[in-house]
Amino acid sequence: QSALTQPASVSGSPGQSITISCTGTSSDVGGYNYVSWYQQHPGKAPKLMIYDVTNRPSGVSDRFSGAKSDNTASLTISGLQAEDEADYYCNSYTSSGTVVFGGGTKLTVL
Amino acid sequence: EVQLLESGGDLVQPGGSLRLSCAASGFTFSSYAMSWVRQAPGKGLEWVSAITASGNSAYYADSVKGRFTMSRDNSKNTLYLQMNSLRAEDTAVYYCARARRAVIPFDYWGQGALVTVSS
Repeated sequence: QSALTQPASVSGSPGQSITISCTGTSSDVGGYNYVSWYQQHPGKAPKLMIYDVTNRPSGVSDRFSGAKSDNTASLTISGLQAEDEADYYCNSYTSSGTVVFGGGTKLTVL
Repeated sequence: EVQLLESGGDLVQPGGSLRLSCAASGFTFSSYAMSWVRQAPGKGLEWVSAITASGNSAYYADSVKGRFTMSRDNSKNTLYLQMNSLRAEDTAVYYCARARRAVIPFDYWGQGALVTVSS
């Protein structure tokens, strides 16, 4: 159950777009369209932002979008805003019937 | 409104035991799979365990298999995590989370319960 690989940090200026990658294997990310993304502000519980690779829960801004190619999923945030500064985590269902998270990415809005 | 409220977090000595509870409200608890996810201080999220809606099956991360047991009481709308043989590396905030579908995604989270394993 190795963690999915995410960049430790990304940054962007207000209004710009950024993309966070999440790399796994054919036993998790590549094998299922069950990749989710979560936003976590300091001291708060995580919040679901994207599920099933591309779907947004009700109430989540359409500035957030997801995609997947082979064993790598990605989260794109367009029109960056100061409130987007947070930690972001991906997770995936695995062939073992378990769940694996990525190591997390700290997004800094410059 | 969906609410998940964890309780039972405490300071415990290495080798000790602790049981966490998660009280659910605002939805039909017996219709949803649930999970526990933990976060060590300053670290990332780690999935710990999951249980089916009926409670018939539970799944565990390798790091806790054989030491932790997840269960639920659908009549009480409550989720449990029995933690035995605790280690320093089990120190974390433990979140209970509702699964939107069979296992993931986690669409609602509790506020977390802090477990500290230290002598």
